[in-house]
Amino acid sequence: GAVVSQHPSRVICKSGTSVKIECRSLDFQATTMFWYRQFPKQSLMLMATSNEGSKATYEQGVEKDKFLINHASLTLSTLTVTSAHPEDSSFYICSAPGLVHEQYFGPGTRLTVT
Amino acid sequence: AQSVAQPEDQVNVAEGNPLTVKCTYSVSGNPYLFWYVQYPNRGLQFLLKYITGDNLVKGSYGFEAEFNKSQTSFHLKKPSALVSDSALYFCAATLNAGNNRKLIWGLGTSLAVNP
Repeated sequence: GAVVSQHPSRVICKSGTSVKIECRSLDFQATTMFWYRQFPKQSLMLMATSNEGSKATYEQGVEKDKFLINHASLTLSTLTVTSAHPEDSSFYICSAPGLVHEQYFGPGTRLTVT
Repeated sequence: AQSVAQPEDQVNVAEGNPLTVKCTYSVSGNPYLFWYVQYPNRGLQFLLKYITGDNLVKGSYGFEAEFNKSQTSFHLKKPSALVSDSALYFCAATLNAGNNRKLIWGLGTSLAVNP
């Protein structure tokens, strides 16, 4: 099946710095990708929809200036957490739609802000 | 508001027994319905989906789910549980709205299969 990778798998950064997370579709093209945030033992919260060649669509309550999304190509979307704070510590997951309605998920990135 | 509900936070079942993980939805139109599984320290994996047709759909690892339109349910089932089935299960629905495929997620159900 289709594979989505994320890099890095884990990152620790200091408060106030920025960190970039990459999401790649390895064997298929994705004009749309989704970015989620997952808190421990909780469901996925959709943050934004990344669109190749155009601006991302953010969900209500998600700060677009804090969570910068760039969909640079048909196989790469990036999420940059700017001026990170401890409350941004979370598990970030990306996904890309497959050809027949299902989605393929990356393995996730564990962000810890100290 | 559109929503997907998983009424049980946790389900415990003995190995070899049948298991059911419940899901109900409140979504307008004819939604597509999905089950995903998340194993510890691994990404979400697609299990099965209902788009149209036969109400009983079969998926990966011996799982199946039954779509019930009158009860707006899509319960996940397996005739004989394995310890390795222990994981976090998510039910999700897409609005039948073109290529967006934005998913509405349930809160997840933690399945524990005891040896």
